[in-house]
Amino acid sequence: DVKVTQSSRYLVKRTGEKVFLECVQDMDHENMFWYRQDPGLGLRLIYFSYDVKMKEKGDIPEGYSVSREKKERFSLILESASTNQTSMYLCASRSGRAYEQYFGPGTRLTVT
Amino acid sequence: AQSVTQLGSHVSVSEGALVLLRCNYSSSVPPYLFWYVQYPNQGLQLLLKYTTGATLVKGINGFEAEFKKSETSFHLTKPSAHMSDAAEYFCAVSDWDSNYQLIWGAGTKLIIKP
Repeated sequence: DVKVTQSSRYLVKRTGEKVFLECVQDMDHENMFWYRQDPGLGLRLIYFSYDVKMKEKGDIPEGYSVSREKKERFSLILESASTNQTSMYLCASRSGRAYEQYFGPGTRLTVT
Repeated sequence: AQSVTQLGSHVSVSEGALVLLRCNYSSSVPPYLFWYVQYPNQGLQLLLKYTTGATLVKGINGFEAEFKKSETSFHLTKPSAHMSDAAEYFCAVSDWDSNYQLIWGAGTKLIIKP
């Protein structure tokens, strides 16, 4: 079974802090994704990565950056957290030969 | 651009009744289609998928979905609802137009009445 883990289930940070969300997958998947999920807005893609050291902007990249130094790990960085980044953050991975994505349990981030 | 519409942000059914969650997409070519389920405070779990072949697809937990090209639909059904089915359900589509990224519906929250 594919396993995608995220570093924290719940996180509380202050406005202006730098925040790191980490995601690790154990299936040697090439592709990894970061989404945020907000009530009524569904899932919105922040960034994705096709391979190590490669990244592509999704639909809402503003205020975020990412890092993929190793194939299994994909980090989402909030350079200076703001209250409008309070959300559920979901990481996913996908094999390069398939179309379905596998999700981690999510990190519920609150910025105060 | 590809879009996915899920009819009804909330659907309420009685325990034991038929579950029908609707999904329509806008692609002009047959896409790849998915249903995911999300239980409270959890990530998304793949319920079933259609890529090629048989248009009636069976998934986990007794759910199934049928790809109807003429109706551009991929509705999710379950003959008899169980309390444990209470969750949010997302339909997603992937095709060459989206560079095989997943395009998501807004989700439907399924409520089961005892």
